[in-house]
Amino acid sequence: DQQVKQNSPSLSVQEGRISILNCDYTNSMFDYFLWYKKYPAEGPTFLISISSIKDKNEDGRFTVFLNKSAKHLSLHIVPSQPGDSAVYFCAASYTGTASKLTFGTGTRLQVTL
Amino acid sequence: DVKVTQSSRYLVKRTGEKVFLECVQDMDHENMFWYRQDPGLGLRLIYFSYDVKMKEKGDIPEGYSVSREKKERFSLILESASTNQTSMYLCASSTSRHEQFFGPGTRLTVL
Repeated sequence: DQQVKQNSPSLSVQEGRISILNCDYTNSMFDYFLWYKKYPAEGPTFLISISSIKDKNEDGRFTVFLNKSAKHLSLHIVPSQPGDSAVYFCAASYTGTASKLTFGTGTRLQVTL
Repeated sequence: DVKVTQSSRYLVKRTGEKVFLECVQDMDHENMFWYRQDPGLGLRLIYFSYDVKMKEKGDIPEGYSVSREKKERFSLILESASTNQTSMYLCASSTSRHEQFFGPGTRLTVL
């Protein structure tokens, strides 16, 4: 039972353009969502998060949008840079679970020159 | 900066061997986690611990056990390694907030 889904295994975007990575969830108890970035042979690193009381959070080139009614979140990267090429995981949690996260399957982003 | 270290980056073991993977964090975090990452499956939680000597099963605990004798250290044990346990193993730690900090991972190959 995949509670957090990333339906696009890969995405290719030109440098300078916008990258949009999508994530859907099924558990309505989730109230906190995070995006992680992972390079090969390294552990994931935290990128940006959003609480369910918000619908948007921005940090530099990265913006996360949350649509609770659709149980959908997206990560926008503008402008995309070659160093953004990595696997991106979305994750979700809910209060009272000792910060236990449920991860999606990941989307591999390739930013081309 | 939070630092999470894992005892080995690469490990090769034989079927049936007992395998220990160790994780240490230096930020006094209460919670620690073990995941495995496989292509197309994302990160799947094996076990987690929210306090010393406390442990809870994650989504795929079969074939694994854990030990947390000290707050900073969380060990993953494969009692009898099998080829289907070949994977990337990732340790993470966190406070009561949601964000987790990950170690660099251990690539385990079971022959």
